[in-house]
Amino acid sequence: GQNIDQPTEMTATEGAIVQINCTYQTSGFNGLFWYQQHAGEAPTFLSYNVLDGLEEKGRFSSFLSRSKGYSYLLLKELQMKDSASYLCAVNNAGNMLTFGGGTRLMVKP
Amino acid sequence: KAGVTQTPRYLIKTRGQQVTLSCSPISGHRSVSWYQQTPGQGLQFLFEYFSETQRNKGNFPGRFSGRQFSNSRSEMNVSTLELGDSALYLCASRQGVDQPQHFGDGTRLSIL
Repeated sequence: GQNIDQPTEMTATEGAIVQINCTYQTSGFNGLFWYQQHAGEAPTFLSYNVLDGLEEKGRFSSFLSRSKGYSYLLLKELQMKDSASYLCAVNNAGNMLTFGGGTRLMVKP
Repeated sequence: KAGVTQTPRYLIKTRGQQVTLSCSPISGHRSVSWYQQTPGQGLQFLFEYFSETQRNKGNFPGRFSGRQFSNSRSEMNVSTLELGDSALYLCASRQGVDQPQHFGDGTRLSIL
């Protein structure tokens, strides 16, 4: 079966750094994606990791450890517009993409 | 390049009816996936089609079915609607299995 765990909610302050963790147990692994979803909108792609290590994209970075079944999304210099849900999704051996429940991030002034 | 287009945006049905939702992927994308999103269950995978063939299927009852046409457009059908089928149905397309899914704005289905 597929199991992807993320914290349900997090709160952080504008200008700060926040780390959103994701642990997974899936039947095989062919990459991990992070998506951002604002309320009432469709998810949008943020990052992709298939090899161990850190991928950096501006204020957002994502890290992967395949041996630990673990990833995190790091958001720096938080802005109010970063308030959204962040979804971790894993491509399993059959290339079926399974999503975690999402982490709702609230950024406060 | 146009994004993923889903129609209709909103739909109201009653229990026992059936519904068909439509999705046009990004031009050149041959893979189309469907997801159900509810506040309690999050984003649940329904099925994926590639070149008119169902490639993967999630854990949904047989009332949920889909198909893909030769132009990669896809439809999803739900028969004998139940109250619990009220949800946002999202369609996504991707260029390859190591490429991100691009989502449409979804169809919000309400069952009365």
